[in-house]
Amino acid sequence: IAGITQAPTSQILAAGRRMTLRCTQDMRHNAMYWYRQDLGLGLRLIHYSNTAGTTGKGEVPDGYSVSRANTDDFPLTLASAVPSQTSVYFCASSGTSGADTQYFGPGTRLTVL
Amino acid sequence: GQNIDQPTEMTATEGAIVQINCTYQTSGFNGLFWYQQHAGEAPTFLSYNVLDGLEEKGRFSSFLSRSKGYSYLLLKELQMKDSASYLCAVRDSNYQLIWGAGTKLIIKP
Repeated sequence: IAGITQAPTSQILAAGRRMTLRCTQDMRHNAMYWYRQDLGLGLRLIHYSNTAGTTGKGEVPDGYSVSRANTDDFPLTLASAVPSQTSVYFCASSGTSGADTQYFGPGTRLTVL
Repeated sequence: GQNIDQPTEMTATEGAIVQINCTYQTSGFNGLFWYQQHAGEAPTFLSYNVLDGLEEKGRFSSFLSRSKGYSYLLLKELQMKDSASYLCAVRDSNYQLIWGAGTKLIIKP
């Protein structure tokens, strides 16, 4: 199935717990991204990776970490979740030319209590 | 700072035409994107503009004026399924997308 998958679809998490959101794409895109989307705010970039083996910080990276061991997978880890990390998280991927559009996964709805 | 402005909400009638505006101030410009997002779903790509002018794609058109920092998305022959949020995003000098908060479009019969 071509596209991006994310897991889990939704999760309720106790504050202080560690959580990894998974993202896998099969489009052989070099670039991958993690965004969070909160009501009234635009999508905000957490971390990105332009190619396997490299990662970079976005607008709101604090409290999150990522790795990019291969082209297909780009997991996002919350080391110690806090209530302010309650959000919808979208993973996206794209090629790396200027006109390349970003394709989004279905999202993970995370609630931290 | 970088800023993308769009109206929060708009209402239109089925069969009519609606124009959703987007103004931007970003560090550099490498293209402007419009995405559609239905409630509870992921954003999906609609259009891309990098040169001034109008890009037409079926019922949807997108216009860009780089000198004015302005774009609009024009939706014609509105259908109920067009009820969604429309997101404007600008690719900046770092080739990252800066996103507006989105415009929620409500279509009434």
